[in-house]
Parts: sequence; C-alpha cells; structure tokens
Amino acid sequence: AQSVTQLGSHVSVSEGALVLLRCNYSSSVPPYLFWYVQYPNQGLQLLLKYTSAATLVKGINGFEAEFKKSETSFHLTKPSAHMSDAAEYFCAVRSKAAGNKLTFGGGTRVLVKP
Amino acid sequence: DAGVIQSPRHEVTEMGQEVTLRCKPISGHDYLFWYRQTMMRGLELLIYFNNNVPIDDSGMPEDRFSAKMPNASFSTLKIQPSEPRDSAVYFCASSLRQQGVYEQYFGPGTRLTVT
Repeated sequence: AQSVTQLGSHVSVSEGALVLLRCNYSSSVPPYLFWYVQYPNQGLQLLLKYTSAATLVKGINGFEAEFKKSETSFHLTKPSAHMSDAAEYFCAVRSKAAGNKLTFGGGTRVLVKP
Repeated sequence: DAGVIQSPRHEVTEMGQEVTLRCKPISGHDYLFWYRQTMMRGLELLIYFNNNVPIDDSGMPEDRFSAKMPNASFSTLKIQPSEPRDSAVYFCASSLRQQGVYEQYFGPGTRLTVT
C-alpha cells in the first residue's frame, strides 16, 4: 500500500522568505513522487516529479524538491516566496504496485504575507 | 493543446435530480481519471479508465454513481439521484505513459452543489 503524509495543513511565510513544505511517503517499492499546486478555483498543476533519476528535482516557478530514501521524504522548497505562490500544494505518490493510481496527501495551504 | 476540458464548470441542482458531468481528455492520452475534492475528505480517486476500459472503480461511493467512457475523447460521470452530500468539486485528469511516469494532467473541475 502507498500513502502520503503532508505535515501542516497551513503554512504562513513572509514574502522573500524560504518556503518549506514537508511530505513523507510510504511505499513498498521505489516510488514516483509528484508535487502539484492548486490555485483558487482551478485544477491541479504539476510542479515537479521524481522518477528515480536525480534526487534533487527542479520544477516550475523556482520550486525544487529532494528525494531522500532513508527518510522517505520528498520536501518541497523555494528560496524566496512570492505573493503569487499563495496556493494549495499537494504531494502525491505512485508506485508500480498500485498500477497507475496516484495517492495524494491532504494538502498544505500556503499564505504569503507582504 | 487545449488541455483537459470539463463541463459544466458549475452545476447547481436539487436533491433527487440526475447530474451528468463531462470530460474531454487530452488527445492521445490513454488513461482517464475522475476525482472528487471536498474539505472533509480531500482528493479522492473515484474511478479510472485505460483505453476506454474501467480499470479500478473501488473509489466510487455507491451505486448512485456511474462513469462511462464511450470513446477515447469523452467520458461522463453520472450521479442519480443526487444528494446534498455529493456537493464537491469533481476533477477529471488524463495521462499518457512517458518513460513509465504516467504524469497526470487535470481539468479545471466542475463545482457541484446539491440543495
């Protein structure tokens, strides 16, 4: 079985500050990992993905995530928050054992303060 | 590409009525997914298709829900009869196997309100 835990349902950061969103996964086999972003009243948009190549993955809008197998983590970071980063972020896992199903975390809503 | 297209974007209906949500996946994609999003339960996978064939419908809440994919470019999710607890945002997503990753692309969603 696969599962995803996102620590913190809400995160508040100041504009220009570091954004750190935590994601831990559980998977019986090497997983594929994804971060999606959802802006208000929109669908989910892929930020980045880990596919067993480089452990540090760079995505769109200046975001990156690092896969750490020993910690079963895939935390999302951005060095400097922008007002436009205010959104909800979802971590997701897919393993071959689960077919083509994605399992999503509960989401983390990011508020950016000016 | 136009992306995944869903219609309607908003639907308001009365309890007991039939509701049909529609989805057009990205051309060439061979997987299609239906999700439901609520504050209480987050994102839930309802059903997914591969090459128009339902593969896993274990997330469909009950017999009032049904989904079809008559061809590669169209799918429907039907609720009959609808109930207030069905109020949610319903997303359709599609994917294509690329190096085994199966990256999913989401539509804008249909916000359903059942009164």
